[in-house]
Amino acid sequence: AIRMTQSPSSFSASTGDRVTITCRASQGISSYLAWYQQKPGKAPKLLIYAASTLQSGVPSRFSGSGSGTDFTLTISCLQSEDFATYYCQQYYSYPRTFGQGTKLEIK
Amino acid sequence: EVQLVESGGGLVQPGGSLRLSCAASGFTFSSYWMSWVRQAPGKGLEWVANIKQDGSEKYYVDSVKGRFTISRDNAKNSLYLQMNSLRAEDTAVYYCAREIHTDPSGDPYYYYGMDVWGQGTTVTVSS
Repeated sequence: AIRMTQSPSSFSASTGDRVTITCRASQGISSYLAWYQQKPGKAPKLLIYAASTLQSGVPSRFSGSGSGTDFTLTISCLQSEDFATYYCQQYYSYPRTFGQGTKLEIK
Repeated sequence: EVQLVESGGGLVQPGGSLRLSCAASGFTFSSYWMSWVRQAPGKGLEWVANIKQDGSEKYYVDSVKGRFTISRDNAKNSLYLQMNSLRAEDTAVYYCAREIHTDPSGDPYYYYGMDVWGQGTTVTVSS
């Protein structure tokens, strides 16, 4: 199975900050990567697919980039509602695998 | 309104069985691949299984192969997960999710993620 590793696992930031989360695949996955946001007690929400395509309705402050093994999720100007846990997921091959998650907390 | 509602979770002893259901509404269920994703308490997400629109293709994470079976009934707009030989490590919230594919083949090039999720149903495996 392809292993997905996110960094950092958690960190603190302030509203208005620009933040970047990294996701690394154990082997090349082309651009077959999605990002999800999850808030406590809630189901995940799709943010980005194909590494950089924003899902409909997702604010433009979210962006994704990368291909091959290295990917990033950037939030350009943090809003209070963005404090959550973020997961990357590869769908290059089965089993589809998630990263361990990155918890974004308020500083 | 597009909606997925899971049911069937509960407390079960190790070695026992449980069948989860996911009722879909507000969209043409038979046109979509569907997935199950789980989340153990305090842990991250784990993709469990998925199934093609007509049920002809199914895929599983290794840890559940031979124990879990995904199925669907398009006439009832329902997705299922039959879980046998349950273990403590299967304890989790189980979500069903709709997959976006712009081509029915399942080729990842045409896959756009899981865009609709249920609220989850909790499975606890304990004696």
